[in-house]
Amino acid sequence: DAKTTQPPSMDCAEGRAANLPCNHSTISGNEYVYWYRQIHSQGPQYIIHGLKNNETNEMASLIITEDRKSSTLILPHATLRDTAVYYCIVRFPSNDYKLSFGAGTTVTVRA
Amino acid sequence: NAGVTQTPKFQVLKTGQSMTLQCAQDMNHNSMYWYRQDPGMGLRLIYYSASEGTTDKGEVPNGYNVSRLNKREFSLRLESAAPSQTSVYFCASSVTGRAEAFFGQGTRLTVV
Repeated sequence: DAKTTQPPSMDCAEGRAANLPCNHSTISGNEYVYWYRQIHSQGPQYIIHGLKNNETNEMASLIITEDRKSSTLILPHATLRDTAVYYCIVRFPSNDYKLSFGAGTTVTVRA
Repeated sequence: NAGVTQTPKFQVLKTGQSMTLQCAQDMNHNSMYWYRQDPGMGLRLIYYSASEGTTDKGEVPNGYNVSRLNKREFSLRLESAAPSQTSVYFCASSVTGRAEAFFGQGTRLTVV
């Protein structure tokens, strides 16, 4: 699975969009980009995933660059409850579905 | 729906004691996983079970054993607990090949 690089931390104002970058320059053609988050003391929560096209769901949007070497998770209207560690994971879909979590980005939403 | 349920939520062990962490899911998922998370660190995979009757080692399997009792249940056993195993343990499950994994709320284990 490709390695990912995320900033260690970032702040965001409540009500504003939060843009979380992820670099995955060694991604290969069949690897997907997944995003999870972990709110303090809770288990990780799946947010969204994509291969090539931009994706949107009720929680967030995922923008993947054309060369697929980086992506951005967008939380459109951040709330205090979005304060969490966000993990960007790149992997092949396969039968065993192991996830390799790195250090992630600690996002603090401020009132 | 309970999702993924872990028991116990908290546990304190003395060095050398043994215990089993229990995990059950009610989503009919084939695959189940055990992770540990040390303070300020990301999650590391201990063991996983792609389907009932199969188990495989992850990144950090030493000191642990697992049992996939049936499709619903996946337990993690510490035979002789060590202080280095102080951590938060998360169980997860997923449909094989699907993107979403569902995690339990964790077991906070302290070994003294």
